[in-house]
Amino acid sequence: QVQLVESGGGVVQPGKSLRLSCAASGFIFNNYGMGWVRQAPGKGLEWVALIWYDGSKKYYVDSVKGRFTISRDDSKKTVYLQMNSLRAEDTALYYCARDYCSSTTCYDYWGPGTLVTVSS
Amino acid sequence: QSVLTQPPSVSAAPRQKVTISCSGSSSNIGNNYVVWYQQLPGTAPKLLIYDNNQRPSGIPDRFSGSKSGTSATLGITGLQTGDEADYYCGTWDSSLSAVVFGGGTKVTVL
Repeated sequence: QVQLVESGGGVVQPGKSLRLSCAASGFIFNNYGMGWVRQAPGKGLEWVALIWYDGSKKYYVDSVKGRFTISRDDSKKTVYLQMNSLRAEDTALYYCARDYCSSTTCYDYWGPGTLVTVSS
Repeated sequence: QSVLTQPPSVSAAPRQKVTISCSGSSSNIGNNYVVWYQQLPGTAPKLLIYDNNQRPSGIPDRFSGSKSGTSATLGITGLQTGDEADYYCGTWDSSLSAVVFGGGTKVTVL
């Protein structure tokens, strides 16, 4: 069965870095695009980044451009989110998700999330 | 401020119907497919509708989606207590080159 498991979250000071990982299993990883979506405590969903199935294209929400980098390692079936220059407003539960649709971006499987807290 | 606009909440009695609207613009809903997610309390979102009106396998036909112009609608018929959740619409925004979500709608079963 499809499984996504995020890791790497934690408490970090403003300005510092963190790398999130998402380990995938149960499907042919290099056939699918992958994405990160975050949810601040008590708030709605905010899309963060996506990477195409072959890694050729990457897109980011404006608020993280230049600070976050999405990447993938197909040999490890893992997608990463490198987060630099973290800010308090980056505090959220970060979900990794599989992009199922070819017509648009739609996430059919999600991990349980990993919590990132940016605080001094 | 979300790019897509949803009502904060809707409610109805069990077995009734609710609809949730999602309003956008020509750069997003008007020219791209819409998806809908359900998020039960304390859980990850779940894909309910994709490509405007398609249901993934396992999603009951009580859930339906439609799109007209720059707006989309999610319908839930035969409302059940287990449908109490937050619902989000989403799509690609061609001007932003980004995925955009609505602010979410909380469904309450009275």
